[in-house]
Amino acid sequence: DTAVSQTPKYLVTQMGNDKSIKCEQNLGHDTMYWYKQDSKKFLKIMFSYNNKELIINETVPNRFSPKSPDKAHLNLHINSLELGDSAVYFCASSQGGWSGNQPQHFGDGTRLSIL
Amino acid sequence: AQSVTQLGSHVSVSEGALVLLRCNYSSSVPPYLFWYVQYPNQGLQLLLKYTTGATLVKGINGFEAEFKKSETSFHLTKPSAHMSDAAEYFCAVSTTNTGFQKLVFGTGTRLLVSP
Repeated sequence: DTAVSQTPKYLVTQMGNDKSIKCEQNLGHDTMYWYKQDSKKFLKIMFSYNNKELIINETVPNRFSPKSPDKAHLNLHINSLELGDSAVYFCASSQGGWSGNQPQHFGDGTRLSIL
Repeated sequence: AQSVTQLGSHVSVSEGALVLLRCNYSSSVPPYLFWYVQYPNQGLQLLLKYTTGATLVKGINGFEAEFKKSETSFHLTKPSAHMSDAAEYFCAVSTTNTGFQKLVFGTGTRLLVSP
């Protein structure tokens, strides 16, 4: 059973389009995250949700809108896609967001390519 | 603010040789430190973590790391490299500035293993 699953795995689209990425975790965790990994492999957090509540928003453009319908799901919608949005987007989850010592579990990523 | 620095974007070793990947951290509070591995086209997998207690931490696949407060280091080692160890390795520090956990990653080190 996949612990953190993301769909789709690959997303190729044109500039200006709107797209969504879905994430689900079956670990019973209460905190979920979105990360962006650029072409140089640098990983940076974008958002974090705890029990459906937004707790971290790292100055991401408001074209990016996360939504958490329940604590097992965290989706990412991106409006008006730009070339600079090309990256791999990772979803992750952890137990107990208040405690910094819990490891985060990552999905396999969604590779977004903007033409 | 907490941060990590990984020295060397690429490290090359021969199969059977010692693996040493360097990580130095900056933190104003006792840090929680993690090492993750990323295989091609996959998400990040936890290798090991340091929270409190024993400073020598053992992880999966024969890796270990030693927390040295005086040197602000958390270097990753493995006595004998295998071809299957070739991957990207990330050191991360956990911050809880806002009360919730946020992982700050280093820039990664690609480990190359030659026969």
